[in-house]
Amino acid sequence: EAGVAQSPRYKIIEKRQSVAFWCNPISGHATLYWYQQILGQGPKLLIQFQNNGVVDDSQLPKDRFSAERLKGVDSTLKIQPAKLEDSAVYLCASSLGVSGGNTIYFGEGSWLTVV
Amino acid sequence: GQQLNQSPQSMFIQEGEDVSMNCTSSSIFNTWLWYKQDPGEGPVLLIALYKAGELTSNGRLTAQFGITRKDSFLNISASIPSDVGIYFCAGDKGTSYGKLTFGQGTILTVHP
Repeated sequence: EAGVAQSPRYKIIEKRQSVAFWCNPISGHATLYWYQQILGQGPKLLIQFQNNGVVDDSQLPKDRFSAERLKGVDSTLKIQPAKLEDSAVYLCASSLGVSGGNTIYFGEGSWLTVV
Repeated sequence: GQQLNQSPQSMFIQEGEDVSMNCTSSSIFNTWLWYKQDPGEGPVLLIALYKAGELTSNGRLTAQFGITRKDSFLNISASIPSDVGIYFCAGDKGTSYGKLTFGQGTILTVHP
């Protein structure tokens, strides 16, 4: 079974530029998550989709971050304009979407460096 | 946002030694999970705990869900070099289809 796919793996941009990350979840997984992991910390949830609807985006900095999952499968996370503190690994994850006892599978992450 | 308190922050041990790490929270979680993250990779689920007091093993790994539902621990027995990595605890309150809150991680180094 193919895992969660993410691209690009690595990106270096200058501050105030924009960047987009793409995620393809495991086939059949209704729930998709974007997490931000700053070096030395645990992942922090940015946004959670159930099919193509947003379940939780309370920790998403909406002035600069946006995410969409238009057809309920792939998702894109965009940052515009980027700040130095956005340097982090952006992890996409997916799960079947069953409440309770639900296994979340992570992708390898997209590593962003803002200079 | 809320974070779980995970300790220790790092451990340096000899191959063959046992390891213990724990995670505490000021609030209750309905599910506790333990993940391992290797360099350049995403977290991989090791053990999931769904019931207060539950003790679950996965090979050399054993984890327990605290009775108060506010803590969990992970033990690794007879450590080997490939156990090196960062171990994260995560809690799920069960209210939103798997929204996880993560600890800060425990960095494990195993000397051959």
